[in-house]
Amino acid sequence: GENVEQHPSTLSVQEGDSAVIKCTYSDSASNYFPWYKQELGKRPQLIIDIRSNVGEKKDQRIAVTLNKTAKHFSLHITETQPEDSAVYFCALNFNKFYFGSGTKLNVKP
Amino acid sequence: GAGVSQTPSNKVTEKGKYVELRCDPISGHTALYWYRQSLGQGPEFLIYFQGTGAADDSGLPNDRFFAVRPEGSVSTLKIQRTERGDSAVYLCASSLFQNTEAFFGQGTRLTVV
Repeated sequence: GENVEQHPSTLSVQEGDSAVIKCTYSDSASNYFPWYKQELGKRPQLIIDIRSNVGEKKDQRIAVTLNKTAKHFSLHITETQPEDSAVYFCALNFNKFYFGSGTKLNVKP
Repeated sequence: GAGVSQTPSNKVTEKGKYVELRCDPISGHTALYWYRQSLGQGPEFLIYFQGTGAADDSGLPNDRFFAVRPEGSVSTLKIQRTERGDSAVYLCASSLFQNTEAFFGQGTRLTVV
């Protein structure tokens, strides 16, 4: 099956700084790469996704980049705010969704 | 409905008992997924339905776990002879098609005592 590695496991930044979370994967057949945000006790919610025919996608303060050759994709959050504090999961779809192990982001005010 | 709905939200059961967890997907979504999430971990795949059939059940841990989706909508995850290690949050998700955005339910927190 697919293997998704996510780093770092925890990330602490000062409000206003940028945060970057990276994921690598093993199977090149994957073509859909979503990112989910999960607040404590809540369900995972999609924040951004990218398909394999696009290298970068941006939505306000959030961007995702994809490098299919190197088999990695990254989430970039700029101008972080305390409400960005949560656990973020990368995922990819190859018949089913495979999830990374999560990154706990803490934005300090 | 407006989103994916799971019932019950919490379930406490004694070791050895049988439990059923229900998932109501978004209307019209053909794909339905069950995941299990332990504290501090990412969702762990259990089973995936495309329509009424189980397209991939490779994540079910053993034969105590079984899931159905008889009419291609509501799904039930069934766990027999529950063990304390089954304690986790069981998440259901649905998507319009197999390779599109998946929407999650709020989960069922199962505690086996």
